[in-house]
This record gives sequence, C-alpha cells and structure tokens, in this order.
Amino acid sequence: AQSVSQHNHHVILSEAASLELGCNYSYGGTVNLFWYVQYPGQHLQLLLKYFSGDPLVKGIKGFEAEFIKSKFSFNLRKPSVQWSDTAEYFCAVNSNNAGNMLTFGGGTRLMVKP
Amino acid sequence: EPEVTQTPSHQVTQMGQEVILRCVPISNHLYFYWYRQILGQKVEFLVSFYNNEISEKSEIFDDQFSVERPDGSNFTLKIRSTKLEDSAMYFCASNQIASGEQFFGPGTRLTVL
Repeated sequence: AQSVSQHNHHVILSEAASLELGCNYSYGGTVNLFWYVQYPGQHLQLLLKYFSGDPLVKGIKGFEAEFIKSKFSFNLRKPSVQWSDTAEYFCAVNSNNAGNMLTFGGGTRLMVKP
Repeated sequence: EPEVTQTPSHQVTQMGQEVILRCVPISNHLYFYWYRQILGQKVEFLVSFYNNEISEKSEIFDDQFSVERPDGSNFTLKIRSTKLEDSAMYFCASNQIASGEQFFGPGTRLTVL
C-alpha cells in the first residue's frame, strides 16, 4: 500500500525566508507526485505535479519540487515566501499500478509573518 | 475556468439520519472521486467512479456509503445512517485522464450530532 509522510506539521516563517517542506512516500512502483495547496477558506488547488522527465518541477507562484527517486522524496521549495503563501500544503501520490486514488500526506500548515 | 462545485457547504444532521452530498464535476471529466478529511487528520480516499460504476473503494467506504451519478452532471455521495465519526469535510474531485491531476471541489462540512 502507498503511504505519504510530511515531516513538518507546522512551519512559521518571516516574509522573504526560504521554504522547504519535506515529503516522503513509500511505494515500490512508478508513482505520480503532486503538491496541493489549500488557502484559508478555499479548496485544494494543484501547485505542481511530477509524472516523468526532469525531476525538478516548477509550479505556480514560484514553487518548485524535486523528485529524488533514491530517497523516495518530493520536497517542495520556494526561495522567498510571501505573506500570501500562508496556507496548508499537501503532498500526494498516485500510481498507475495501484489505481488512481490519491494518497495524501498529513499536510503542513505554513504561516508567513509579514 | 471550469470548477468542481459542491452543495451544501455545511450540513448538520442527527445521528442515524441519511445525508446526500452533491457534487457537479467539471463537464468533460470522466473520473469522479470522493475524499474526506476528519478534523486534524489526513485527507482520505473513499471511492472512485468511472463509466457509471465504482472503480475503487477504500475500507472506509462500507455498506453505509453509496455513490450515484443520477444524471449527466451530478455525482452524489449518500450516507445511509450517519454516525458521529462521519463528521468530516467531504471533498469531491474529478479528472479527465485517470492518472492525471484531480480537480477538487470546495468541500462539504458534515457535522453529525
């Protein structure tokens, strides 16, 4: 079975600080990887995704993530956060071999102080 | 930009009552999903639906749950006899390609008293 873990439950940063949110998954086969964001009072929105190819993926709003297959990781990064990045961030995985269901991590709540 | 919509945004019900949560997926999408998130816990997969039948379901999706696509636009989740532990945020999602990005609705917060 697939599982996803996000190591940081709560992160507090000041504006302009750099961000890295960890995500590790366990599954032996080929996976598709996603980062979703949920802004306060809004629905889950896709930040970025990895299916194949270049392991460094660029998403919206200056976010990027790097797939490191050997570490089963897909960490999310942003060089300089803004107050408007305050949200909850979810890493998710699905696999063509294990159905199309998304398996989510527990989420990381990010607060950016102005 | 097309969106997944869900109604109601908040539903309060008494234990033992039936509830129906409604979703309108994006119109050209073919795969539909329900997820739930109990307060403070992970988003969990419940069920996926394709070609008018369930394609996958989790252990959570027991006989109390059912899904239906009653017409060309709606996708519903029915909980037959609600329990306190069914209180959660329920998200509907859809996509066009099975393994592709899933588009989520805003959720329905279900409170069972």
